This record gives sequence, structure tokens and C-alpha cells, in this order.
Amino acid sequence: KNEVEQSPQNLTAQEGEFITINCSYSVGISALHWLQQHPGGGIVSLFMLSSGKKKHGRLIATINIQEKHSSLHITASHPRDSAVYICAVPTRETSGSRLTFGEGTQLTVNP
Amino acid sequence: GAVVSQHPSWVICKSGTSVKIECRSLDFQATTMFWYRQFPKQSLMLMATSNEGSKATYEQGVEKDKFLINHASLTLSTLTVTSAHPEDSSFYICSAVSGSNEKLFFGSGTQLSVL
Repeated sequence: KNEVEQSPQNLTAQEGEFITINCSYSVGISALHWLQQHPGGGIVSLFMLSSGKKKHGRLIATINIQEKHSSLHITASHPRDSAVYICAVPTRETSGSRLTFGEGTQLTVNP
Repeated sequence: GAVVSQHPSWVICKSGTSVKIECRSLDFQATTMFWYRQFPKQSLMLMATSNEGSKATYEQGVEKDKFLINHASLTLSTLTVTSAHPEDSSFYICSAVSGSNEKLFFGSGTQLSVL
């Protein structure tokens, strides 16, 4: 079974700072997901990536398949970015969308 | 874009009653939906995989008679917590897979409180 580790668990930043959240996993995967969970509980899928880098607005996600590592970056952070960011990977190499989730990174961006 | 609608958002019930939670894919067909449970400050835990027209696949340790899942159509899956007890109080959330690119969409979640 895939094991997922995220770091840091908690992150506090000032508005405008560059944010990096890291995710490591133990078993080879087809794709990795980055999710955002808001205080009310709702979850939004930010990225699904299997190689290289993806960018959406101020968010950038990278993945290194060989090193089994992914990072989520937020440029010019804003208080509205405050949320829990979760990394998720297939539970097993062949499990597709059946996912194992990291414990999440609580991000707080202060104005 | 694709949306997954989950109802209710929150429910309070008495111990021993049953609670049904609905998850609908609004503009796409979802042959597979997933049900998760999340306790405060913890990560999402997959409870079961719901497949349209067939029995759900439950994760180890999840009682199938306690958490009844029905996926009768390509747009609707329901989770019924039967004879709920206070320890079932949790945040329940569903997700659905859209299309061949396996993009995931999540419901808004249901906070269940059992008194």
C-alpha cells in the first residue's frame, strides 16, 4: 500500500510570500492529485499530474516520478489561499482513482 | 464544468436512526463514485467504492451492513448510515470520476452528528 507523507503539517505565511508544500510517496504511481480543502470541508481538485509541471494561475505543481516526490507552490500568496492542501496518490500501482491521502498541510496566510 | 452535488450538508440525528446521504454528478456520468470519512484534523479515509449497477467494494474495517451504498444510476450514489451511533459522527464526502482522464470531483461533504 502506498504511504504518503506531506510536509510541513502547518504553515503560516505573510501575504505575498512564496509557499512550497511537499509530498512524498512510497509506491510508483500513474498520477498524483493535489487537493484544496476549505474550512467548511468542501474539496477542490487543483491538479492531477503524472510528470513534469503544471501551472494554474498562481499555483504550480511539480512531480519527480523517479524520486517519488511532488511539490505544490503558491506564488504571491493571499489570505484567500488559507486552506488545507492535500496530496493524494493511488493506493496501489493499479488502483487508479482509489486514493490514499496525505494528512494535509494547513496553510494560513496573514494579511 | 463538472459538479458533484452532495446533500445534506449537515444532519443531526438521534442514536439508532438511519441517515441517507446523496451524491449526484450533475453534468457527467459517473460509473464510479467514492465515499470517504474524515474525522477532525485527520486525513480522508476511503470507505468504499461505489460502482453503478453492482455491489460496492468496501475497504477493510468498514461494515457493509452499517454503511449501505446504492449506485442505481450513472448520476446518483447514496450512502445510508444505519442505526447511527455517536461514534459515527464524522464528515462524510463523496467523489466521482469524470471521463477517461480520471479527473476527480468532490461533493461538498456532509457533517453528521449523532446525539
